[in-house]
Amino acid sequence: EVQLVESGGGLVQPGGSLRLSCAASGFTFSSYAMHWVRQAPGKGLEYVSAISSNGGSTFYANSVKGRFTISRDNSKNTLYLQMGSLRAEDMAVYYCARYSSGLDYWGQGTLVTVSS
Amino acid sequence: EIVMTQSPATLSVSPGERATLSCRASQSVSTNLAWYQQKPGQAPRLLIYGASTRATGIPARFSGSGSGTEFTLTISSLQSEDFAVYYCQQYNNWPWTFGQGTKVEIK
Repeated sequence: EVQLVESGGGLVQPGGSLRLSCAASGFTFSSYAMHWVRQAPGKGLEYVSAISSNGGSTFYANSVKGRFTISRDNSKNTLYLQMGSLRAEDMAVYYCARYSSGLDYWGQGTLVTVSS
Repeated sequence: EIVMTQSPATLSVSPGERATLSCRASQSVSTNLAWYQQKPGQAPRLLIYGASTRATGIPARFSGSGSGTEFTLTISSLQSEDFAVYYCQQYNNWPWTFGQGTKVEIK
């Protein structure tokens, strides 16, 4: 069974940093591109970042470029999102998702709260 | 950035009726278009990819059509479990973008 489990969310002050993790199981992690998508409270879905299967290519939304870094460790079946210079508008549930002709599996999400 | 516009924002439908949701792209995305369903407190679920291909396990009452800039998701006969928010998403150009969602509610 494919499973994606996010962790690392929590309360952080504006300007602070946080690292999210997404532990994958039930599939060959190293064969799939992976994505982060976020959803602010009561709002719609917003793309954040993506990484190719071998980690060689990364993509970022304009809103997070230069502040967030996506990475992966295929030996640990884990996806990461290093978030820095956090702003109030970064507050959201962050989902990791697997790409296979669409985002076919999603984690349950981890909540990031940015507040002083 | 490609802007995805969904209409209507809210659709009120009676169980058993047909629902038609629209999604328009600000420029062509070919058929690189997916639809997702999201229920409160849950992660989104992939329904359709490639504009018209149902994802694994998705019932046949869900169908997608369109290409270029105009797309449609049709639910042929709404079941109680289909009341949710639906998002379209283009994956033709980075940054991939979502529509703002259509909420399908019980009439």
